[in-house]
Amino acid sequence: DTAVSQTPKYLVTQMGNDKSIKCEQNLGHDTMYWYKQDSKKFLKIMFSYNNKELIINETVPNRFSPKSPDKAHLNLHINSLELGDSAVYFCASSQIGGTGGSHGYGYTFGSGTRLTVV
Amino acid sequence: SQQGEEDPQALSIQEGENATMNCSYKTSINNLQWYRQNSGRGLVHLILIRSNEREKHSGRLRVTLDTSKKSSSLLITASRAADTASYFCATLYNQGGKLIFGQGTELSVKP
Repeated sequence: DTAVSQTPKYLVTQMGNDKSIKCEQNLGHDTMYWYKQDSKKFLKIMFSYNNKELIINETVPNRFSPKSPDKAHLNLHINSLELGDSAVYFCASSQIGGTGGSHGYGYTFGSGTRLTVV
Repeated sequence: SQQGEEDPQALSIQEGENATMNCSYKTSINNLQWYRQNSGRGLVHLILIRSNEREKHSGRLRVTLDTSKKSSSLLITASRAADTASYFCATLYNQGGKLIFGQGTELSVKP
């Protein structure tokens, strides 16, 4: 029973295409996130949703649009893909609520989606 | 940038030895967490230490936190080859609720 599952695991696509990555968590967590990990393993937060509401939106190009149909799902749609978008994208969830304050729990990460733009 | 720093960037030890990784951060935090990432996999949460705690243990892991120096260390005792992975510290800042990751330490444990 995978706690945070993302699909697809690998995504190879051409520049200019539009693609989506899906994420689902079955932990009952209130908050979900998208992180981007570059080739140097640097992890950067992109978005955070709390119970379907966007609470963190880092300086990410408008080509990236998250969508949360319910608190168990957070999808990432990317328009007009560029070479620099190649990275591993991780979905995560936690019980951290609102804009701060941890209930003492860590994040649970999915296994990642390796996006390669050619 | 709020990103913390970790050192060393890479650490190579023999099985049975202890491994110590350090993390420094910049502003006041709610808590600090350590994660492990095996090659090609997602991150796994190891341990969380709150800003009012100074030391925490979990199995072979020992984490310390010094808020006056804005630093933390992760000690893995009696390391095993299976401990080979990248280890990341992450800080939850009081402002904004973002978990910010350090650049990681690559640990290699040779059998």
